[in-house]
Amino acid sequence: DAKTTQPTSMDCAEGRAANLPCNHSTISGNEYVYWYRQIHSQGPQYIIHGLKNNETNEMASLIITEDRKSSTLILPHATLRDTAVYYCIVRVDNQGGKLIFGQGTELSVKP
Amino acid sequence: GAGVSQSPRYKVAKRGQDVALRCDPISGHVSLFWYQQALGQGPEFLTYFQNEAQLDKSGLPSDRFFAERPEGSVSTLKIQRTQQEDSAVYLCASSLGFGNSPLHFGNGTRLTVT
Repeated sequence: DAKTTQPTSMDCAEGRAANLPCNHSTISGNEYVYWYRQIHSQGPQYIIHGLKNNETNEMASLIITEDRKSSTLILPHATLRDTAVYYCIVRVDNQGGKLIFGQGTELSVKP
Repeated sequence: GAGVSQSPRYKVAKRGQDVALRCDPISGHVSLFWYQQALGQGPEFLTYFQNEAQLDKSGLPSDRFFAERPEGSVSTLKIQRTQQEDSAVYLCASSLGFGNSPLHFGNGTRLTVT
C-alpha cells in the first residue's frame, strides 16, 4: 500500500513555480521521501530525494516539514515539458529499496 | 551515459503465447527491479534482484510470471501462456544497490495480448 497522499491533478502557468504537495503522516524515522515524474510513454524519471533537510538540485527543490509528515516539491519555473505525473514515494527501507508507487499528481503546465 | 535499455519496445502476443522481455541495466548496477504498469495506474512492483539473486518476488501475479538474471547483469521477464489481463507496460529499473541510491528506469515494453 502506498504510504503517501497526493492531489490527483494540478495546473500551473508556464514560467510560474509549481508546488506539488505530498502527505506522508506515517513515515518512519529512517525512511526517505523520493520524487519521480513520468512523462507520457516514458519510464519514471528520478527527480530528488531527502530525509529531513531541504534539498535542491538542478531539477527541483524538496521542502520537508519539521515533523516529516509532509513535503512539497517545487519546480521553480515550470515549462510545458514539465507536464507529467509526479509521484511522491516513501522508500521502503528494508526490502531492497523497492519503490511503492501511488497514483501521483497529474501536473498540467499551461501556456 | 547509457541508461536502462529494454527490448522490445512493443510486443503483441496472441493469448496463450509465451513472451520474453529483456532488460539491460546500467553498467555496474547491482540491483534490478521489474514493475508492471496498467493504463492510467502507477507502476506496481513485481520482483527484485541483487546481482543474480532474486531476493523478492512477492509482486509476481501468478506462477506464469518468471524472472531471471543469471549473470547478475541482463535480466529477462518471461510470461507463459499470456492472458489479456497481462496487457501492460513492463518497466525495468536498476540502482547501485547501496544506501539510498535512486532507481533509474527504462522506457518499458508495452505488451498487448490479443
